[in-house]
Amino acid sequence: SAVISQKPSRDICQRGTSLTIQCQVDSQVTMMFWYRQQPGQSLTLIATANQGSEATYESGFVIDKFPISRPNLTFSTLTVSNMSPEDSSIYLCSGLSGTHNEQFFGPGTRLTVL
Amino acid sequence: SQKIEQNSEALNIQEGKTATLTCNYTNYSPAYLQWYRQDPGRGPVFLLLIRENEKEKRKERLKVTFDTTLKQSLFHITASQPADSATYLCALGSNFGNEKLTFGTGTRLTIIP
Repeated sequence: SAVISQKPSRDICQRGTSLTIQCQVDSQVTMMFWYRQQPGQSLTLIATANQGSEATYESGFVIDKFPISRPNLTFSTLTVSNMSPEDSSIYLCSGLSGTHNEQFFGPGTRLTVL
Repeated sequence: SQKIEQNSEALNIQEGKTATLTCNYTNYSPAYLQWYRQDPGRGPVFLLLIRENEKEKRKERLKVTFDTTLKQSLFHITASQPADSATYLCALGSNFGNEKLTFGTGTRLTIIP
């Protein structure tokens, strides 16, 4: 199994600013993903983080708003740009590994935008 | 559009009984289905995977069934314990070459001592 850590665990930000969230995996994973989870709701996939190339974004999410980097197999960042209160959410990264296609999730970053 | 629904937002079950959670989907042909557990303030944790050609999977006190005709999966926890209290999420994968998951709405399970 893989253990995933995220930094920061939470933050309170002013509208119009940007926040970069870091995701570190303790072992190599084949794929990494970024999700958003609104309070009390399920997970929505933002994008697949591709190593050494541009991320693949889901409908409704764009690179200018959520730039993603993945410089190697164990690290990725998600930036939430030009934030508004609607961006307040929990952001989770995950890594794909194992024999059951299971995704291992980080603990999440709780973002509040004022 | 694709839709995944879990039958209830919250479910209360007496300790020792079997908890049964439901996951229904429409406009989707999944290659596999997974169940995850999520505790407050934490990320989801993988529990079980069942493939489209499998009817049932078991792991300790957990059992999952998958009916592609009914477009439904049932998740059972037998001999439930208060420690089983959590939110349970089903997730569907379209194929094994594309590992994106689509998550259901989740069911918050409470086991009452």
